[in-house]
Amino acid sequence: GAGVSQSPSNKVTEKGKDVELRCDPISGHTALYWYRQSLGQGLEFLIYFQGNSAPDKSGLPSDRFSAERTGGSVSTLTIQRTQQEDSAVYLCASSGGGAFYEQYFGPGTRLTVT
Amino acid sequence: QKEVEQNSGPLSVPEGAIASLNCTYSDRGSQSFFWYRQYSGKSPELIMFIYSNGDKEDGRFTAQLNKASQYVSLLIRDSQPSDSATYLCAVKPSYDKVIFGPGTSLSVIP
Repeated sequence: GAGVSQSPSNKVTEKGKDVELRCDPISGHTALYWYRQSLGQGLEFLIYFQGNSAPDKSGLPSDRFSAERTGGSVSTLTIQRTQQEDSAVYLCASSGGGAFYEQYFGPGTRLTVT
Repeated sequence: QKEVEQNSGPLSVPEGAIASLNCTYSDRGSQSFFWYRQYSGKSPELIMFIYSNGDKEDGRFTAQLNKASQYVSLLIRDSQPSDSATYLCAVKPSYDKVIFGPGTSLSVIP
């Protein structure tokens, strides 16, 4: 596709339910990043994938959060047993691999936990 | 010390003025630097990147990098109300790690 796509665009879930958020990166981009942005706040790094290397999970806030990237392309971020504090916009970005490549962001998924 | 710092603002400038946005970073080995603009309710979009010391101009935007001082800035000339947004500084200290600053909110007053 022309850009990074994410689905769903909006998700409302009840506290305690599991949710899956999907990211389709730009074709050919080897690096994929997940961020979280709460209302009025900056970007909080969650996890990134680079090619076939082990992902950098250092930003995941708890073991309820996990992510995978299948075939070096599509990624899914899973939040188990959602809590109200998980409510935020979840942004995915992709990049060509390397220090001099910029990131391109998807439109985000707005998650609301009731 | 935070890895990437920016003044949170809000920064207010009159229409037509120059807006100056500043960013400092802690990792001296950082190689590339990016400025993103984020409108309220939207995703960040890249507006400038710079790798070498000095100035880089693109239309009304100029990015300035001083690696010795670990400082990068963004100047917006002839500011327009449509420039009102949050500006995020991003630094790549290594191959793929990206660190974002907290952002500076800019308001251009007509």
